Amino acid sequence: GAVVSQHPSWVICKSGTSVKIECRSLDFQATTMFWYRQFPKQSLMLMATSNEGSKATYEQGVEKDKFLINHASLTLSTLTVTSAHPEDSSFYICSASTSGRDTQYFGPGTRLTVL
Amino acid sequence: DAKTTQPPSMDCAEGRAANLPCNHSTISGNEYVYWYRQIHSQGPQYIIHGLKNNETNEMASLIITEDRKSSTLILPHATLRDTAVYYCIVRVETGANNLFFGTGTRLTVIP
Repeated sequence: GAVVSQHPSWVICKSGTSVKIECRSLDFQATTMFWYRQFPKQSLMLMATSNEGSKATYEQGVEKDKFLINHASLTLSTLTVTSAHPEDSSFYICSASTSGRDTQYFGPGTRLTVL
Repeated sequence: DAKTTQPPSMDCAEGRAANLPCNHSTISGNEYVYWYRQIHSQGPQYIIHGLKNNETNEMASLIITEDRKSSTLILPHATLRDTAVYYCIVRVETGANNLFFGTGTRLTVIP
């Protein structure tokens, strides 16, 4: 149980384009989803927290207009990296929990490379 | 949430028990101890969590000291697939559910 999937698993795009990453909870309803970013040889850094049907809460230093998060259903959240640049190249990982207080279960991650 | 301190790396022989320590001397009474691991280029995997009692599941055992200032994750029979970075995280069960990932312990299981 508690399976979280992400799509795509990897993506390469040109600078200036937008990329959408999907995060799905497959066998439970995720009222809260989280998006993390991990640069090479570094630890995970939380980008934003989203509750189903509400606007996401972004961590300090994360631009909400650049990283658009939508959590329209209890099983799906999307992260759109708008006008991507090479410095946005990273490993993006989502996690989900049944409420803001429960254990988080992580997706397999999406590796984004911006040329 | 309280910070944790872990050794940066450890080795363990295949088939032996791997004991991963974690210090959390500033832990509060309502903070749980969580353990996750991250195998290279994958998302973190939940292992186990506890408040003050020792816990065991199919993956590991968690031993928390009586004063709760430290804990040990035990993998009873380490395999090569257990090679990963292990993160010890403390967090409250109310309010924001943020997980702060420190640098973790890189466990290498040696054949």
